[in-house]
This record gives sequence, structure tokens and C-alpha cells, in this order.
Amino acid sequence: RKEVEQDPGPFNVPEGATVAFNCTYSNSASQSFFWYRQDCRKEPKLLMSVYSSGNEDGRFTAQLNRASQYISLLIRDSKLSDSATYLCVVNAGGTSYGKLTFGQGTILTVHP
Amino acid sequence: DTAVSQTPKYLVTQMGNDKSIKCEQNLGHDTMYWYKQDSKKFLKIMFSYNNKELIINETVPNRFSPKSPDKAHLNLHINSLELGDSAVYFCASSQDGSRWAQYFGPGTRLTVL
Repeated sequence: RKEVEQDPGPFNVPEGATVAFNCTYSNSASQSFFWYRQDCRKEPKLLMSVYSSGNEDGRFTAQLNRASQYISLLIRDSKLSDSATYLCVVNAGGTSYGKLTFGQGTILTVHP
Repeated sequence: DTAVSQTPKYLVTQMGNDKSIKCEQNLGHDTMYWYKQDSKKFLKIMFSYNNKELIINETVPNRFSPKSPDKAHLNLHINSLELGDSAVYFCASSQDGSRWAQYFGPGTRLTVL
């Protein structure tokens, strides 16, 4: 089983749609969780951290379910500029100090 | 101001050569990293340094040698380059390695001919 697993997509949605991405992780001791986005030929950029209580940043909502080892990202009212690869990222912490493990990414294309 | 910067942005070289990539961060972070992103777009950590001390070395060939002269800089030297080293190399930094998010530089696209 991969350490961090995502549906690679691609997801093709019209502007204004709501889209949800899911991610599972295998290490139950993982300590911190993030969503990054990566545009073509660019570096990964932090989208948001993910907390157990769930958190929202504008049109983006992230959820963490530690019992199921599952992370989600919901994008509401999709914009053309949301087209990118979304990376689910987990920090195991502890003896894996600073080691981020990346999912393979989910490709999102938002069309007019 | 660029938070994490890398030079060069592009590097094209012949097999067998030795090359270096430099990274600098002005965020005041204690921990810096090198990642490799291969042609399948998978990002994998190579090394991390915390305050100039090597913390993570992820079974990378010893042709790759990181050097951290101070906590704001982490360079990567690669000896005897091979075709399989062609990839994008990203530098990143974080406040510390425990649970903070990491911030990435723009990447260095290395092509070995």
C-alpha cells in the first residue's frame, strides 16, 4: 500500500462546479497534513494545512479523519485559475523528522 | 522578495560531469530540504538539514552530497552525473521539521545528455 494515496483523476469540471478530492494515508502516527497545489512546471505551493476540526479558507474546505486515515479537499465555485495538480501531503513527524510524503497528485481542469 | 531561491533554474550537462545547485532561504527557517521530482511527477525527499545538521538521508546515491554552510543555505553537489539524474530538483524550507509546512523554491531542471 502506498504511504499516501490519491485518485490521480483527471477531474474535468465546468466553472462554478463543486469538486472534492480524497486522500488516504497509511501511517497512523502521522502528525500533520497539508494540501499543496502545483501548476505545470512550477513548484508546489501550500494551499492549506488540514486540522482534525476541519478548516476552511474561502472556497476551499479541508477535512481530516484520523480514525479512517483519510483527508479531503472540497473546492466550491471552481474558477479557471483552480486548474492545477493538487497534492495531498503528510508529515510523519517523530523519527521521520520533517519527512513530507507526497501523494501522486490529482489533476484538476476547470473549463469555461 | 523571493523566500526560497535556487540557482540555476536550468542545467544541461553531459554524463560524467559534476555540477552544483545552490539554495537560499530568507524566511529565518531552521530546516531545509532537497526533493527530486522525476518524469512521472512524483516528489520524493532526498535530504533534510536542521540548523546545518543532516537529519534525513533517504538512500540517495553517494554521488549526491548536500552541504549546508549556514542555516539559510543548502547546496547540492552531484558527481559523475548519470542519465537517470535528469529531473527537477526542489529546495524547500520550514520553521522546523516537526510539523510545520514547507515552502519550496522554483526548482532546478537538470537534463543529463
